[in-house]
Amino acid sequence: DQQVKQNSPSLSVQEGRISILNCDYTNSMFDYFLWYKKYPAEGPTFLISISSIKDKNEDGRFTVFLNKSAKHLSLHIVPSQPGDSAVYFCAASVDSGYALNFGKGTSLLVTP
Amino acid sequence: DAGVTQSPTHLIKTRGQQVTLRCSPKSGHDTVSWYQQALGQGPQFIFQYYEEEERQRGNFPDRFSGHQFPNYSSELNVNALLLGDSALYLCASSNGQGYSPLHFGNGTRLTVT
Repeated sequence: DQQVKQNSPSLSVQEGRISILNCDYTNSMFDYFLWYKKYPAEGPTFLISISSIKDKNEDGRFTVFLNKSAKHLSLHIVPSQPGDSAVYFCAASVDSGYALNFGKGTSLLVTP
Repeated sequence: DAGVTQSPTHLIKTRGQQVTLRCSPKSGHDTVSWYQQALGQGPQFIFQYYEEEERQRGNFPDRFSGHQFPNYSSELNVNALLLGDSALYLCASSNGQGYSPLHFGNGTRLTVT
């Protein structure tokens, strides 16, 4: 039972443009959401998180938006850079310190 | 500052054998979690250890067991290996505080033949 869904397996964006990665979830008890980036042969690297009491969180070029009523979150990368090319995982948990439920990932390719 | 370290990086085992994977958490972290990532999938939660006890467990059979040592390092043991156990096994650590993101190691690639 996939509680976190990333429906776009891949996304291609030109350098300098905005990348928007989407994620939907089904469990209304989730209260902590995170995005991780993963390069081949490396473990996932934490990018940005948001708690359910907020609807937006920014960190440099990365912004995460949370729409609780739609059970949807998105990650915006502006401007996109070739080094951003990686697989991006959306994750969520009930109570911040416990198990993360991951989506299947979206492979982002940023072309020069 | 050393991050999460895992050993070995790669491992090949035969069906029915047993395997032990090891993890050292990031400095200052006291909570260790293990995840299994099959090809083309996101990581799946196996279990979490805190204060040397299993605090939470995912939907994995009893063949998967673990341990946490007083220095917070951890082991994942898998008995009676199946072909379907072939995956990347990721260890992650955190400081156990609220809203503290997990830091992952680079994983152990297990192949069962």
